[in-house]
Amino acid sequence: AQTVTQSQPEMSVQEAETVTLSCTYDTSESDYYLFWYKQPPSRQMILVIRQEAYKQQNATENRFSVNFQKAAKSFSLKISDSQLGDAAMYFCAYSGNTPLVFGKGTRLSVIA
Amino acid sequence: AAGVIQSPRHLIKEKRETATLKCYPIPRHDTVYWYQQGPGQDPQFLISFYEKMQSDKGSIPDRFSAQQFSDYHSELNMSSLELGDSALYFCASSRGRGGETQYFGPGTRLLVL
Repeated sequence: AQTVTQSQPEMSVQEAETVTLSCTYDTSESDYYLFWYKQPPSRQMILVIRQEAYKQQNATENRFSVNFQKAAKSFSLKISDSQLGDAAMYFCAYSGNTPLVFGKGTRLSVIA
Repeated sequence: AAGVIQSPRHLIKEKRETATLKCYPIPRHDTVYWYQQGPGQDPQFLISFYEKMQSDKGSIPDRFSAQQFSDYHSELNMSSLELGDSALYFCASSRGRGGETQYFGPGTRLLVL
């Protein structure tokens, strides 16, 4: 079974600085997708970014980018120019031939 | 853009009662997923439907059942409710299966007393 591990339960970052959230996963599948979802205090699950495993190029969405290392099974999220609105729980998720498998999440605090 | 709609948004039930949660996917999305998120936990997959047929089954209790209707909306039926069923229940939809991006609804907060 696939597993997703987020080793940082909590992180903090100064406003306007950059922070990187870590995620590793375990799978025997060759074709899969990886996601980062953001869950603010409202508890809405918001898609941040998506990466296809067959693509070598790292996905980017404005201030959000990933470092996808397929061989190492690592999928970290970098947030640049952090804003107060980025404060939330961030979940890394895996999807292959199964529905989403989530990590335990990283709670990000942004300090003004 | 249209999003996933869930109703009700909040629900309070007594133990042993029943509850029905509804989900309306994004238009032209043919796949619906149900997830349960307990307090301080990550979402856990319950069940999914593709083109009105059950496609995957996760950690859904036997007391729960679900279906997808001809208009692609889905309902999660929960019977003999227990205190431990108190959670946030998400519905997500996608166009197709197998890695397609899932878009989540706002969730239904169920409290069992």
